[in-house]
Amino acid sequence: AQKITQTQPGMFVQEKEAVTLDCTYDTSDPSYGLFWYKQPSSGEMIFLIYQGSYDQQNATEGRYSLNFQKARKSANLVISASQLGDSAMYFCAMRELQGGSEKLVFGKGTKLTVNP
Amino acid sequence: NAGVTQTPKFRILKIGQSMTLQCTQDMNHNYMYWYRQDPGMGLKLIYYSVGAGITDKGEVPNGYNVSRSTTEDFPLRLELAAPSQTSVYFCASSPAEGGVLNEQFFGPGTRLTVL
Repeated sequence: AQKITQTQPGMFVQEKEAVTLDCTYDTSDPSYGLFWYKQPSSGEMIFLIYQGSYDQQNATEGRYSLNFQKARKSANLVISASQLGDSAMYFCAMRELQGGSEKLVFGKGTKLTVNP
Repeated sequence: NAGVTQTPKFRILKIGQSMTLQCTQDMNHNYMYWYRQDPGMGLKLIYYSVGAGITDKGEVPNGYNVSRSTTEDFPLRLELAAPSQTSVYFCASSPAEGGVLNEQFFGPGTRLTVL
């Protein structure tokens, strides 16, 4: 079963507007973490933001914020004031404990296109 | 501080050939990982290591081998290359202090084509 689900294969947003990228997860572990990574066309993976399952407040990093709804098992990424340079693939990932070690499980990604 | 470096950046292999993808990190991280990313997909874990001398399988280990003789280096070996191994390979590292895994630092990737 999918542990990380990103239901939006592609999203479009106008420059300077906000956009929300969806991510739902599935785990029975009470301790977990959620990450968002950006992958521009150049291919590198860029860490954006992290939310721990016990964190009381939603994580924010500059124009990025994470809308964490634990009961719904969702961790949506909100990008405010979109810029042309935000056009990229965005991956949601979950840290989970497997076989005594902690690993990351990635979703399939959402391709964001920012239009001028 | 170079972070995570990977060599080569690109490689074309013939079916049945072998090669080693190199990965080095200079951040003294205990945890290191190898992922593959197929076109249009997320990353899948091939192998990982929690420290020198310790390695374990991830989600898609078949056709690959790893070793971790030092903290810095984590090479990935393909013994008999197959077209199904055409992918982009990412190496990553993490401090995993106190057993808690936070940000993973990724290398730039190796694009491998098997013909």
